[in-house]
Amino acid sequence: AQSVAQPEDQVNVAEGNPLTVKCTYSVSGNPYLFWYVQYPNRGLQFLLKYITGDNLVKGSYGFEAEFNKSQTSFHLKKPSALVSDSALYFCAVRDRGDRDDKIIFGKGTRLHILP
Amino acid sequence: DGGITQSPKYLFRKEGQNVTLSCEQNLNHDAMYWYRQDPGQGLRLIYYSQIVNDFQKGDIAEGYSVSREKKESFPLTVTSAQKNPTAFYLCASSADRGTGSGNTIYFGEGSWLTVV
Repeated sequence: AQSVAQPEDQVNVAEGNPLTVKCTYSVSGNPYLFWYVQYPNRGLQFLLKYITGDNLVKGSYGFEAEFNKSQTSFHLKKPSALVSDSALYFCAVRDRGDRDDKIIFGKGTRLHILP
Repeated sequence: DGGITQSPKYLFRKEGQNVTLSCEQNLNHDAMYWYRQDPGQGLRLIYYSQIVNDFQKGDIAEGYSVSREKKESFPLTVTSAQKNPTAFYLCASSADRGTGSGNTIYFGEGSWLTVV
């Protein structure tokens, strides 16, 4: 069965510094990988996804993520953090070979950008 | 604008009551989903539907029911059998028919349900 782990409940970064939010996954086949962001009292907003091809994926609001098959990771990154990036971030995985085609979400990482 | 509309945003349920959360999408998506979000537990799948008039239980279906009579609508009923229904409920949709595609799941703005 597929699973996804976000090892940090919270990440604190100073404004202007680079940020990384970690995600590792486990699937029996090849994965589709996603990142979402959630602001308080709102739904999840799609940031980016990896389907195939280039391991570095660029998404909304200057975020990017790198697919690393050997480390089974898909860490979210941004070169320079903004206070407005403070939110809850979810990593998600879909197993291409899963007949049920379910998407599994991590528990989320709360990102605090300090002014 | 295209999107997913959930209503109401806030709903209060008395003990023993059934309540229904509405979810409508105008994205022409085949698949629709209901998730429950509790603090520190991420998202848990309640029910999903890949096509009209068909739906499957997710990981925590007990105490919930759904229908999919129209492509654009997927209402969730929280029954009195659900003993701890206070949570944030998220409806979502995606274009795929469940064939292992990489189609993105898009979410509505969520509904808060509180037991009083």
